[in-house]
Amino acid sequence: EVQLVESGGDLVQPGGSLRLSCAVSGYTFSCCEMNWVRRAPGKGLECVAYISPSGTTIYYADSVKGRFTISRDNAKNSLYLQMNSLRAEDTALYYCTRGGFRYMEFWGRGTLVTVSS
Amino acid sequence: DVVMTQSPLSLPVTLGQPASISCRSSQSLLHSDGNTYLNWLQQRPGQSPRRLIYKVSTRDSGVPDRFSGSGSGTDFTLKISRVEAEDFGVYYCMQGTHWPPTFGQGTTVEIK
Repeated sequence: EVQLVESGGDLVQPGGSLRLSCAVSGYTFSCCEMNWVRRAPGKGLECVAYISPSGTTIYYADSVKGRFTISRDNAKNSLYLQMNSLRAEDTALYYCTRGGFRYMEFWGRGTLVTVSS
Repeated sequence: DVVMTQSPLSLPVTLGQPASISCRSSQSLLHSDGNTYLNWLQQRPGQSPRRLIYKVSTRDSGVPDRFSGSGSGTDFTLKISRVEAEDFGVYYCMQGTHWPPTFGQGTTVEIK
């Protein structure tokens, strides 16, 4: 069974940093494209980052470009999102998803990031 | 970014009756590779989104055949032939043809 388990969400002050992780099991992690998608309170779903299976191709949403970094460790079956210079508008539930941005075939349960002083 | 517009945003339905959700995109979703990357997701209360349909009309494994997707270009539809209790929740269309992928606002299917 495919499982995606996010962690690392927390309360952080504006300007702070946080690193999210997504632990994957139930399939060969290195095969597949991955994404981070978020939902801010009262707002819609937003894909913030994409990474190819090897990690050589990466895309970011304009809203996070220059502040967030997506990465993966295929040996550890893990996906990461390093978030710097956090803003109040980054407050959201963050999901990791498998399948690339065209497909989004599996979703984790999400981890909550709250940016507030 | 491609804007995805769903209607209606709220859909009260009676068990056993059909339901239909419309999704329109601000640009054509036909990719140069010949595919149309339009997916439908379901989110039940307290759960994460689950993909039901990809590339307009292909059902995911385990998805009942009462769910069907159709459309092309900029106009798409999700139909439920006979709504069952487990179908209540929020449905999203999303496009993956253009970066960044974008989602509709969501349609809440609720008990009438």
